[in-house]
Amino acid sequence: NAGVTQTPKFRVLKTGQSMTLLCAQDMNHEYMYWYRQDPGMGLRLIHYSVGEGTTAKGEVPDGYNVSRLKKQNFLLGLESAAPSQTSVYFCASSYLDRITFFGQGTRLTVV
Amino acid sequence: AQSVSQHNHHVILSEAASLELGCNYSYGGTVNLFWYVQYPGQHLQLLLKYFSGDPLVKGIKGFEAEFIKSKFSFNLRKPSVQWSDTAEYFCAVTPTYAGNNRKLIWGLGTSLAVNP
Repeated sequence: NAGVTQTPKFRVLKTGQSMTLLCAQDMNHEYMYWYRQDPGMGLRLIHYSVGEGTTAKGEVPDGYNVSRLKKQNFLLGLESAAPSQTSVYFCASSYLDRITFFGQGTRLTVV
Repeated sequence: AQSVSQHNHHVILSEAASLELGCNYSYGGTVNLFWYVQYPGQHLQLLLKYFSGDPLVKGIKGFEAEFIKSKFSFNLRKPSVQWSDTAEYFCAVTPTYAGNNRKLIWGLGTSLAVNP
């Protein structure tokens, strides 16, 4: 049972480049989330999804887009990366019991 | 706005010392409460949770937490810490009203360093 899997684990982008972070969960969870984690700022919710085909904005959605075409996948896109998006990104999922499972994280550096 | 406050940002202890990390939340309704732990370089893992019932909950690795509704608190405790407890600890709360969509409200975390 893999749980929540994120790819890639590390990435360096140049300012203005685009990329997509992939998240897959094999627990049949309805809810999925993308967070960013920055020193001293804890976890901040970027976007989330309450089911296949649905997405919603979190606390810090600007500069990011998401898609949930399949229940098990939740993609996070950066259309034009900026240095302020340098962060560690975590995907997470949960079911009705509200217990949230996290992926291993993606460390993104934008130069 | 709903928020979660963790009182200690950095804690340094020696092995065998007792630990208590404070967590308070601001929401007057029913909540579910969680503590997550993040070991260096790893992802967050659930340490313990409170949904209902006995307000004293026990989690993994000897941790426990007490929910005090009147104080809006959910403090984490461990009688005797080990070097391997060095990690960042996050308190999180989910208000249980229907429109919340299972979103967690996070504290900023407490960094715990245990000296051998």
